[in-house]
Amino acid sequence: DAGVTQSPTHLIKTRGQQVTLRCSPKSGHDTVSWYQQALGQGPQFIFQYYEEEERQRGNFPDRFSGHQFPNYSSELNVNALLLGDSALYLCASSPAGETDTQYFGPGTRLTVL
Amino acid sequence: AQTVTQSQPEMSVQEAETVTLSCTYDTSESDYYLFWYKQPPSRQMILVIRQEAYKQQNATENRFSVNFQKAAKSFSLKISDSQLGDAAMYFCAYRTFNFGNEKLTFGTGTRLTIIP
Repeated sequence: DAGVTQSPTHLIKTRGQQVTLRCSPKSGHDTVSWYQQALGQGPQFIFQYYEEEERQRGNFPDRFSGHQFPNYSSELNVNALLLGDSALYLCASSPAGETDTQYFGPGTRLTVL
Repeated sequence: AQTVTQSQPEMSVQEAETVTLSCTYDTSESDYYLFWYKQPPSRQMILVIRQEAYKQQNATENRFSVNFQKAAKSFSLKISDSQLGDAAMYFCAYRTFNFGNEKLTFGTGTRLTIIP
């Protein structure tokens, strides 16, 4: 049983560009959350998707947007990249009806130059 | 808003010894969940242990146990018989009990080093 997967593993962008990160939840999971982890910090909640809708959002600007597909996979889009967007982006999924525990993927390391 | 504080940026322990990592949190809620996650150099966040606030009994998972003091809003992690594979960043996290408000709030982490 595959766990949470994310792609790509890492990528490098320049300021002003746009980026799309992808996440496939663990089998049987229908809720996907995204977190940003800056170097040396704990993860910060970006938003959560459930039934293809954004259910909850953290304190991030509108440049951060997302999507969830019918198969529960999800994308995180970031527009107009800033140097400060450089971070590890973590995706976590939760099993249907059991949203108390989130299981994390390996993350995508984004570097903005 | 809830906050989670880990006051020990770094800890070290001799292999086979016991170490305790500290975590305090601030909330006005009575029902919630608390978690310890481990993040090794591979970056993958791995769930170590979880505690429901309504349970008085401290959670235990093999060599890992917690000391949950609800009144003091303290949630420490004890690792017994430390092994080299325990070396990692450890994050304490809080989650409210309310359905639909399920974000995890993390502390800043404690880096644990195991000395052979």
